[in-house]
Amino acid sequence: NAGVTQTPKFRVLKTGQSMTLLCAQDMNHEYMYWYRQDPGMGLRLIHYSVGEGTTAKGEVPDGYNVSRLKKQNFLLGLESAAPSQTSVYFCASRVSWSTDTQYFGPGTRLTVL
Amino acid sequence: KNEVEQSPQNLTAQEGEFITINCSYSVGISALHWLQQHPGGGIVSLFMLSSGKKKHGRLIATINIQEKHSSLHITASHPRDSAVYICAVGTSGSRLTFGEGTQLTVNP
Repeated sequence: NAGVTQTPKFRVLKTGQSMTLLCAQDMNHEYMYWYRQDPGMGLRLIHYSVGEGTTAKGEVPDGYNVSRLKKQNFLLGLESAAPSQTSVYFCASRVSWSTDTQYFGPGTRLTVL
Repeated sequence: KNEVEQSPQNLTAQEGEFITINCSYSVGISALHWLQQHPGGGIVSLFMLSSGKKKHGRLIATINIQEKHSSLHITASHPRDSAVYICAVGTSGSRLTFGEGTQLTVNP
């Protein structure tokens, strides 16, 4: 099992450019999450999905869109990148809700100039 | 005030010392998680608990539901324990709320 993988690992964008981050899991998990991590702050939830074809907003959804067309993949899109979106992005998945362990991807370091 | 507060923010210890990291929360929870973030950035789950105490090797996690408080203990600390330790609480539904983390450095 590869677990949770993220593509790419690093990316530098110019303001206004767009990009898509890919998260993939091979554990047949229902729930998937996108977080951002910034210095001095805890992980913050951007968007999440409780199953294929479903998505929901988290704590900081503005400027991001997501899609979950296949159960194993969760895509995070930035339509028009801004310097405030410079961050480390983590994807996570878990079997189902409530008391299950979350498994994290290795992270994507994004810099927006 | 954050829903999840960790203390201390930074902790430096000598190899072999007993370490305690604290987590307090202000909401009702279904479970509390302790996570470890390695210097390279990867995050792994250490414990998930909703009552009592759990032990894994040199790591012990406890939770007091009435006091809304959890502790993570590391016995016989080692430099390889140096990492950021993160407390997170699961509330109703499918989401976790995270503390800011405690940076632990263990010197040889």
